[in-house]
Amino acid sequence: DAGVIQSPRHEVTEMGQEVTLRCKPISGHDYLFWYRQTMMRGLELLIYFNNNVPIDDSGMPEDRFSAKMPNASFSTLKIQPSEPRDSAVYFCASSLASQSFSGNTIYFGEGSWLTVV
Amino acid sequence: RKEVEQDPGPFNVPEGATVAFNCTYSNSASQSFFWYRQDCRKEPKLLMSVYSSGNEDGRFTAQLNRASQYISLLIRDSKLSDSATYLCVVNTPNDYKLSFGAGTTVTVRA
Repeated sequence: DAGVIQSPRHEVTEMGQEVTLRCKPISGHDYLFWYRQTMMRGLELLIYFNNNVPIDDSGMPEDRFSAKMPNASFSTLKIQPSEPRDSAVYFCASSLASQSFSGNTIYFGEGSWLTVV
Repeated sequence: RKEVEQDPGPFNVPEGATVAFNCTYSNSASQSFFWYRQDCRKEPKLLMSVYSSGNEDGRFTAQLNRASQYISLLIRDSKLSDSATYLCVVNTPNDYKLSFGAGTTVTVRA
């Protein structure tokens, strides 16, 4: 079975450019999470969706960040304009509602490694 | 105060050794606890859930101490393949968010 699929795997961009990260959750999962991981701050939840609806975006750093989930099989995280401090690994994860309190159903994608220079 | 705090390590141990480390959490109402494993440049993956009575999974033993608000992970007979960062994860009550610790790095040497 396909896991959570993220693209691009790696991106290097110049400060000020727009960055769009993409995620395809596991089919049938109705929760989707966007995390960011850095050495300094560890793994941080940015936003999560339930049935394509954003539930909690309190982790989104600022207005430069936006996330959408137009349908059950696709989500994007956009940074505009990007800054060097946005350099991090961005993970998308998905889970099933019935078991979302148990971590064993939270599956992570391989991550998108972003470098802003 | 962070919701979940861990000793970052690193713990450098020889093969066959036992290594143990803890994680503390701040919300006394937390209900679910887990250990995730993250290999270098990889995504986190569930290692095991932590149950109130403690539980084992092969060489791995997890314990929960609600009174002191910490969980622990013990690895017996360490293997080279156990080298990884171990993330402590706590579920916020009535919420689908998981709070991750910064991780404890374990390096097992030959």
